[in-house]
Amino acid sequence: GAGVSQSPRYKVAKRGQDVALRCDPISGHVSLFWYQQALGQGPEFLTYFQNEAQLDKSGLPSDRFFAERPEGSVSTLKIQRTQQEDSAVYLCASSADLIGTANTGELFFGEGSRLTVL
Amino acid sequence: KQEVTQIPAALSVPEGENLVLNCSFTDSAIYNLQWFRQDPGKGLTSLLLIQSSQREQTSGRLNASLDKSSGRSTLYIAASQPGDSATYLCAVRMDSNYQLIWGAGTKLIIKP
Repeated sequence: GAGVSQSPRYKVAKRGQDVALRCDPISGHVSLFWYQQALGQGPEFLTYFQNEAQLDKSGLPSDRFFAERPEGSVSTLKIQRTQQEDSAVYLCASSADLIGTANTGELFFGEGSRLTVL
Repeated sequence: KQEVTQIPAALSVPEGENLVLNCSFTDSAIYNLQWFRQDPGKGLTSLLLIQSSQREQTSGRLNASLDKSSGRSTLYIAASQPGDSATYLCAVRMDSNYQLIWGAGTKLIIKP
C-alpha cells in the first residue's frame, strides 16, 4: 500500500478482555516496529521485526503482550487480559532498511490504534 | 545512555514568524536524526531525516540542521502558518542499532 495502515483506529475494551491490533506496513518494507505512546509523551519502543523474525521484544511491558508477523508482512499486536494502564495509542512503523546496510533508516508511521480500557 | 531533550515544551507565535525548534542529545555516536510532526489524535509524519554525515536537510519551508559535535539539531520553520500547529518530535537512531530514542516533543501553536 501507499502507507502504513493500522486497524482498528479506536478500540474500547472492558478490563480483562483480549484485544488484537493490526498493522499493514508499506509493501516490501523489511523492518517493522511497534510503539506505545501515552498522552503527551514520546513513543516507547515495544518490539521489532525483521521480516518474520522478532529480533527484539524487550519493550513489551508484560507477558500479556504478544506480537507476531508470520509471513513477514502484516503484523498483529495482541494484548491479553487488558488492564487500565494499557490505555494508550499503539503505533506501528516500517522501514525499508536492515541493520548495517546503507539504507537511510527512515521510519514511516501509521496513524495508530487508540486503545481505551474501561 | 543516550538522552534526547526538546526545548521548549510548548511554543506559541503569531502567523508569519520564522521560528526554531531545538533538539539536543547526549551521545554523538548517532546513525541519523529524524524530525516528525504529530497532529492531535494522529500518527507521526516524517518531516526530515538527517544522516550522521550530513549537516542539513531542506523540504519546502522546513530546514533541519545537525551538529553532532555539540549534540544539537534545529528545525527551522519559515513564514509559519496556522496549519503548522502540531507537536514536533525529534528521534535519534544510534549506530548499528535500530531503536529510536525520542524527545518528548515541542507543542507548537501558530496564532492567526
